[in-house]
Parts: sequence; C-alpha cells; structure tokens
Amino acid sequence: AQKITQTQPGMFVQEKEAVTLDCTYDTSDPSYGLFWYKQPSSGEMIFLIYQGSYDQQNATEGRYSLNFQKARKSANLVISASQLGDSAMYFCIATDYKLSFGAGTTVTVRA
Amino acid sequence: GAVVSQHPSRVICKSGTSVKIECRSLDFQATTMFWYRQFPKQSLMLMATSNEGSKATYEQGVEKDKFLINHASLTLSTLTVTSAHPEDSSFYICSAGEEGVAYEQYFGPGTRLTVT
Repeated sequence: AQKITQTQPGMFVQEKEAVTLDCTYDTSDPSYGLFWYKQPSSGEMIFLIYQGSYDQQNATEGRYSLNFQKARKSANLVISASQLGDSAMYFCIATDYKLSFGAGTTVTVRA
Repeated sequence: GAVVSQHPSRVICKSGTSVKIECRSLDFQATTMFWYRQFPKQSLMLMATSNEGSKATYEQGVEKDKFLINHASLTLSTLTVTSAHPEDSSFYICSAGEEGVAYEQYFGPGTRLTVT
C-alpha cells in the first residue's frame, strides 16, 4: 500500500477565505488515482474530487480544486470561499487497487 | 452515482454476543468490497478485502476468527463481530467499487458499534 502523508492535523480558517490542505503520496506505479473525501461529525464519507494520474489538467469540482503536482507527488486540496458547513475531517486517499488513507486534517471554519 | 448502504447504522450489544453488519451495493455489482474500522479522530484502517465467492483477505493484525466476512453475492458483504468485547466498539465502514470502473470507490454510511 502507498503511504499518504497529510501533515496538517488541524486547521482553522475564516469563513469566506480559501484554505489549502496538503497531501503527498509515494507510489511508484504510473497508474493511480487520488481522491479527497470529507467526513463530517455524522461519520459519512462524502466524495469531493478525483484526480487520475494520467489526467492532464487539475481536477475542479465547484469550490474544490486539486493542485496536482505529479513530479513532487503532491495532491493538495484547495477549498475556496469556505463555509461553516465545510467544518469536517478531510482525507486524502490514493488508489492503485486498494485504498490508502492519509491521517486526515480537521478543518474548523470560523464565522 | 452509485450507492452503498450499511445496516444497521447503530448497534449496541452486550459483551460476549455477536453482531452482524451488512454492506450492500444498491445499484451496481461489486466483486470486491472493503471493510474499515475507524477510531475517533483517526483515519480509516483497512481491516479486510471481501471477495465474492471466496475467502476474505485480512490485513495484518486483524483476527479473522473475530471478524468474519462473508461475500455471498455481488451486492452483499457481511461483517460479523464474534464474541464482541468493549474494545471492539468502533465505527465500521465498508466501500465498494463498480466493476470495470477504475479507481472509483463508494463508501457506506458506516455502522457505530457499542459493546457494553
């Protein structure tokens, strides 16, 4: 399994500001996928965004964008215009068959 | 999008009893499903890979006799926690992917198990 590193255990962000969540991975396989999921206090895993290793452009989904730097093996998530409802734990996940999870980053949005 | 359900969402059982958790793919078939365990404020930990029609593959350190997995059909996998103890209390999540769709995984909503 891959090692996924999320270096930020917790972050505070002001409402309406942007926040960047870091993620690095270590696969040597040329074919892989990267996900970001959000897990609010309810526990459900909510899909945010997906980037394939062969995708030429960085993925975007509404307020979420993925800063994919393949050579550096990083896949940072950018959340623009943060909302109170964005407060949750965020997981960076990589897959080349099984899923490998980062430790997660807890984001707290302040009004 | 594809939906994965889990049942029950919450369960409380007494120490020494067994409890079964179901994971269903509602609108797609899944040859493989995954079971995870999550402690508060921690990441998901892969417990085992459930393979339809064959034995599950357990991760190192996971007791196969304690956590029985049965993947009897292409839409259903079950996790049975046998002789549960308070330390088995946790949040259990399953995931499944559509056949032929690379890399996509859909998570169930999770089951919170409390053993008293």
